Amino acid sequence: DTAVSQTPKYLVTQMGNDKSIKCEQNLGHDTMYWYKQDSKKFLKIMFSYNNKELIINETVPNRFSPKSPDKAHLNLHINSLELGDSAVYFCASSQGTRAQFFGPGTRLTVL
Amino acid sequence: SQKIEQNSEALNIQEGKTATLTCNYTNYSPAYLQWYRQDPGRGPVFLLLIRENEKEKRKERLKVTFDTTLKQSLFHITASQPADSATYLCALDNRNSGYSTLTFGKGTMLLVSP
Repeated sequence: DTAVSQTPKYLVTQMGNDKSIKCEQNLGHDTMYWYKQDSKKFLKIMFSYNNKELIINETVPNRFSPKSPDKAHLNLHINSLELGDSAVYFCASSQGTRAQFFGPGTRLTVL
Repeated sequence: SQKIEQNSEALNIQEGKTATLTCNYTNYSPAYLQWYRQDPGRGPVFLLLIRENEKEKRKERLKVTFDTTLKQSLFHITASQPADSATYLCALDNRNSGYSTLTFGKGTMLLVSP
């Protein structure tokens, strides 16, 4: 009965590879997000989707491409991974602008 | 430029005391402010939301105040317990992009000693 789930929890990969992180929410929320939390613990918004439509795209390299097949899912695909992409990526969801519910995070390590 | 500042990197207090965490902001006009708790290795967990027209909000041992003149929110945990040890994040509603998103502060780590 997990509210927001992400897979995988850990991802270790080489520079230059392409990888995906999946996110699913079973709360019936209409808005989903991707955040990046770097080593200094700053939590920064990357993307926001409302009803499957991209509404926020912060200054993120276009190697990052989110995809929302339906309201309950928001996946993140990253091409040509770089060392600086190493971080913890959190998916979150909310109903409108109310409280956000976060997933457990995916720790990405690029070697 | 916009800035959210949370007090000190870490706050150490003794069990039973009241912890007070500060969130100051500049160049924002948030319609609301939220507080989250984050434990190591986990995602943030929502605690409280306070709107710009509300001065104070309470939930069990938690109390949040919001002063839009001072551009400050205070987060209090009364009768603190070691289980309250965590990082606490404040987040502001940011409408610069035309849509509402949350911008998070860096967080304050709270350590409650028995």
